Amino acid sequence: SYVLTQPPSVSVAPGQTARITCGGNNIGSKSVHWYQQKPGQAPVLVVYDDSDRPSGIPERFSGSNSGNTATLTISRVEAGDEADYYCQVWDSSSDHRVVFGGGTKLTVL
Amino acid sequence: EVQLVESGGGLVQPGGSLRLSCAASGFTFSSYSMNWVRQAPGKGLEWVSYISSSSSTIYYADSVKGRFTISRDNAKNSLYLQMNSLRDEDTAVYYCARGFLGVASEYFDLWGRGTLVTVSS
Repeated sequence: SYVLTQPPSVSVAPGQTARITCGGNNIGSKSVHWYQQKPGQAPVLVVYDDSDRPSGIPERFSGSNSGNTATLTISRVEAGDEADYYCQVWDSSSDHRVVFGGGTKLTVL
Repeated sequence: EVQLVESGGGLVQPGGSLRLSCAASGFTFSSYSMNWVRQAPGKGLEWVSYISSSSSTIYYADSVKGRFTISRDNAKNSLYLQMNSLRDEDTAVYYCARGFLGVASEYFDLWGRGTLVTVSS
């Protein structure tokens, strides 16, 4: 089965840039979607189709995907960005299923 | 208001059954695929099941296949998850999530607030 690997944690100072990676075998051939989840809340879609943003999501959130790594980039990080972030793909290679990464806790120092 | 509201969670003994519901409002429910996603306490997201807009296509995670059944009633704008033979490891918050087809795959653009299922004796 397809596996997505994320770092457990990323720390960044306010105003700096945070990069959260999502590794997978030839992930560049898949569409990657990213979710933000704050404590006690449901996940929220922040990036879809590798690099598109839903309406209402700040331009500070961007995404890229190539080779074996997809990346969520958060520019000019704010305290309110502190949350868990999950990448997601649809794996149709064997049995159809949705795969989430293990999640990355973003801490704003 | 566009929203999803889950219900039906609670405490159940191992081996027991529970039926979750998800009520949709504010959008044309019958036009969208739907999913269940769960999150064990302190853990990450785990996809559980998918159902297409017409119920013609259904998928399950291996961890629940043969025990859980997803269904929907488009006339009632509702999604369901029948959970049988529940195990301790099924303890989680269960979210319903609307699917949207992107360039190459679906993503979840609308989530409910979740309902907690606790499996314990």
